[in-house]
Amino acid sequence: GAGVSQSPSNKVTEKGKDVELRCDPISGHTALYWYRQSLGQGLEFLIYFQGNSAPDKSGLPSDRFSAERTGGSVSTLTIQRTQQEDSAVYLCASSLGPHSNQPQHFGDGTRLSIL
Amino acid sequence: AQSVTQLGSHVSVSEGALVLLRCNYSSSVPPYLFWYVQYPNQGLQLLLKYTTGATLVKGINGFEAEFKKSETSFHLTKPSAHMSDAAEYFCAVSDTGTASKLTFGTGTRLQVTL
Repeated sequence: GAGVSQSPSNKVTEKGKDVELRCDPISGHTALYWYRQSLGQGLEFLIYFQGNSAPDKSGLPSDRFSAERTGGSVSTLTIQRTQQEDSAVYLCASSLGPHSNQPQHFGDGTRLSIL
Repeated sequence: AQSVTQLGSHVSVSEGALVLLRCNYSSSVPPYLFWYVQYPNQGLQLLLKYTTGATLVKGINGFEAEFKKSETSFHLTKPSAHMSDAAEYFCAVSDTGTASKLTFGTGTRLQVTL
């Protein structure tokens, strides 16, 4: 079956603009995660959804970052007023259920470049 | 807070040689443990995981890892490296229980030479 799909695969934007990143999880997966991968910080957790709720938002770096999930499926990560330090690869993952022994399946990521 | 240490940011082996990638974790309670592989411009692919049961875990592509509680380690091995194994490898941990974020190590880039 289809894996986790992320779009766009690449995004270049100017500092100060808003961006939206989309994640389409594996069908039937109720848990969804966003991570950020950057040279300086490695792989960092951003936010976790179970269904449409976000029980853990502890990794969002500032109030410029927000995310939502609708219909228990697609999720959108929004970054407002982008800064150069937001440049990174944003990875989305989904898992079958809420238990942490369920492996997370990753998409190929969105490479975000802020000019 | 949990943490993961991967010793060696770069490891180079000859084709056919043993691959050993090291991972140690810091947690008051043994967590769940995972190894992921990342090829260029791709996401992370699960190689293997340890949750409960047998401490020697076999994964895809001939890789295996052994959970050693006394050493707080979860090292990844493969008896014979192949050129296609060249990639970046990440060790990760999560709390047991309800869905929990993964905490990753800094990664080890594996180079395989002829």
